[in-house]
Amino acid sequence: QVQLVQSGAEVRTPGSSVKVSCKASGGTFTTDAISWVRQTPGQGPEWMGRIIPNIDLVNYVEMFQGRVTITADKSTSTVYMELSSLRSEDTAVYYCARTFRDVILDYWGQGTLVTVSS
Amino acid sequence: DILMTQSPATLSVSPGERATLSCRASQGVSINLAWYQQKPGQAPRLLIYGASTRAAGIPARFSGSGSETEFTLSISSLESEDFAVYYCQHYKKWPYTFGQGTKLEI
Repeated sequence: QVQLVQSGAEVRTPGSSVKVSCKASGGTFTTDAISWVRQTPGQGPEWMGRIIPNIDLVNYVEMFQGRVTITADKSTSTVYMELSSLRSEDTAVYYCARTFRDVILDYWGQGTLVTVSS
Repeated sequence: DILMTQSPATLSVSPGERATLSCRASQGVSINLAWYQQKPGQAPRLLIYGASTRAAGIPARFSGSGSETEFTLSISSLESEDFAVYYCQHYKKWPYTFGQGTKLEI
C-alpha cells in the first residue's frame, strides 16, 4: 500500500520561502511520478508541478514557474517542494500525491498547512 | 489552459436518492478526466479515471460517463458517507486543471 507522509505545518512571513517534504513508502519511488497540489480554503485544488525521480523530469505549472522547485532524494524516497517569494495568497494546504500514469492522483499525503502572515 | 466548470455548486439530495453531478471542459479532453471526493479536513480521494473507470475500492454506486466536453458523475442510492465535495480534473494536456467542485449535501 502506497503511503505518503508530509512534514508538519509551517508559518512564514511574506517574502520568505518554505520547503515541504513528502516521504513515500510502499510503491516504486523511482518510477512513480509525484505531484504537488495546493488548495486554498473553499477552492478547488491547483496542480503545481510533478517530478518523475528516475528520469529527473520535472514539470511546473506556469503560474508557479520561477517560484517553485520540486526535487527528489532517491536514497530516502522523499520528494520536496520549495516555494519562494511567499505572499499571503500562498496560504493553503499543500498536498503531495502519487501520480498514476503520470496524470492521475491516486494516493495522497495528509496535507501540510502553510500560513503566510506578517 | 483548459477551464473545468462544475455544476451545480451545491446539490441537496436525500439519502437513498440518486445524485447527478456535471463537469464541462472548455475544450475537448477526450476521456482524460478524473473525479475526486473530498471530505472536510481530508485529502481528495480518487473515484473515477478515464471518465468511467472506477478506482480500486470504489463502490459500484459511483459511475462516470461522458467524453470531450461533457461529463457526469452519478451516485445511485446515496449513503451518508457520500456527502462531500466532488471535483473533476482533466489530464488532456499540461497543465492539468480541476473544477471548482460540487458540494453534495443532505
